[in-house]
Amino acid sequence: GNSVTQMEGPVTLSEEAFLTINCTYTATGYPSLFWYVQYPGEGLQLLLKATKADDKGSNKGFEATYRKETTSFHLEKGSVQVSDSAVYFCALTPSNDYKLSFGAGTTVTVRA
Amino acid sequence: DAGITQSPRHKVTETGTPVTLRCHQTENHRYMYWYRQDPGHGLRLIHYSYGVKDTDKGEVSDGYSVSRSKTEDFLLTLESATSSQTSVYFCAISDRAGTSTDTQYFGPGTRLTVL
Repeated sequence: GNSVTQMEGPVTLSEEAFLTINCTYTATGYPSLFWYVQYPGEGLQLLLKATKADDKGSNKGFEATYRKETTSFHLEKGSVQVSDSAVYFCALTPSNDYKLSFGAGTTVTVRA
Repeated sequence: DAGITQSPRHKVTETGTPVTLRCHQTENHRYMYWYRQDPGHGLRLIHYSYGVKDTDKGEVSDGYSVSRSKTEDFLLTLESATSSQTSVYFCAISDRAGTSTDTQYFGPGTRLTVL
């Protein structure tokens, strides 16, 4: 079946540090890959996505590259801010479907 | 922000009572989804709808039913609530013809506690 595995948290960083959250997936064919972010007390919102191999999604200083050869979609940001404190979810939709499968989520806390 | 509201936002209920959660959208999107969020599990799909009166089960549908009589409303019912259904429930919508590249837009969530 389809599944997403992301690094366990929580992750605690200082402001301006580099952030990486690892995400790997299992799926047949060419799924679409997503990162969603959930700020405290809110619903999820799309952060970025990539729909084919070698695509790079980017938004708000975050980037992730769709790596078919390693079945990965790692999230990175070069210099985090306190406002980046949130829960980050990696997710996929299979190529023949539209229903999302989510990873467990990674809680990130950025300290001033 | 996509126009999605959920009601109630918080609810505490007793085991064995029926509970209905409402999701309302103003985007006229065709697809609607109900998820539950639990620690260590991310979000798991309960039920979804691909049109008025067209619904199907997700991966954790036992104990839940849904109805969609209008495009804008998607109701989730717990016929007889159990403590294992204590969770945060999210509604989502999407529009792009049910393709794998769809972006789903999420509501603010309902926190349900079953005592």
